[in-house]
Amino acid sequence: NAGVTQTPKFQVLKTGQSMTLQCAQDMNHEYMSWYRQDPGMGLRLIHYSVGAGITDQGEVPNGYNVSRSTTEDFPLRLLSAAPSQTSVYFCASRRQASGNTIYFGEGSWLTVV
Amino acid sequence: ELKVEQNPLFLSMQEGKNYTIYCNYSTTSDRLYWYRQDPGKSLESLFVLLSNGAVKQEGRLMASLDTKARLSTLHITAAVHDLSATYFCAVDPSGAGSYQLTFGKGTKLSVIP
Repeated sequence: NAGVTQTPKFQVLKTGQSMTLQCAQDMNHEYMSWYRQDPGMGLRLIHYSVGAGITDQGEVPNGYNVSRSTTEDFPLRLLSAAPSQTSVYFCASRRQASGNTIYFGEGSWLTVV
Repeated sequence: ELKVEQNPLFLSMQEGKNYTIYCNYSTTSDRLYWYRQDPGKSLESLFVLLSNGAVKQEGRLMASLDTKARLSTLHITAAVHDLSATYFCAVDPSGAGSYQLTFGKGTKLSVIP
């Protein structure tokens, strides 16, 4: 059971480049989400999904796109990277039933230069 | 907008001492989560508190929730060095278990021998 798997773990991008952060979970969880973590801050919600084909914006969605074509995968796309998107990105998932533990991936460290 | 405030943000304590971390939030919610994060690592779930008066304990850590006061506490008993980490509380504001979590900024705990 791999849990929540994120790739890549580290990435350096040039300003204006695009890329996709991958997130996959093998626990058949309905809910998945992406957070970013900046120094001295807690995690902030970027986008989330309550099931395949359903996504919605969180607190800081600008500059990011998501899609959820399968239950297992929830990729995060940076359309045109900016230095302000330098951050650590965490993917998370959980079952629909309330109160269930939320599982986080190992994180993806992104630097935009 | 939901605000989640943790106090203190930094805590240096001696081994063997007791201390409490406070998490205040600004809107009605009966779902609160506590996480631990070690440097460079992902978030580890500690407690899920789902109702007013909920109290959970694991080892030297005990968490409680007072939904009327909009306050959760994480109490550390007889601290040991292994508890050094950053602790986050997170609130699900919707009450419907959608898990659009809003995080506090974290409390960085250093336990000194």
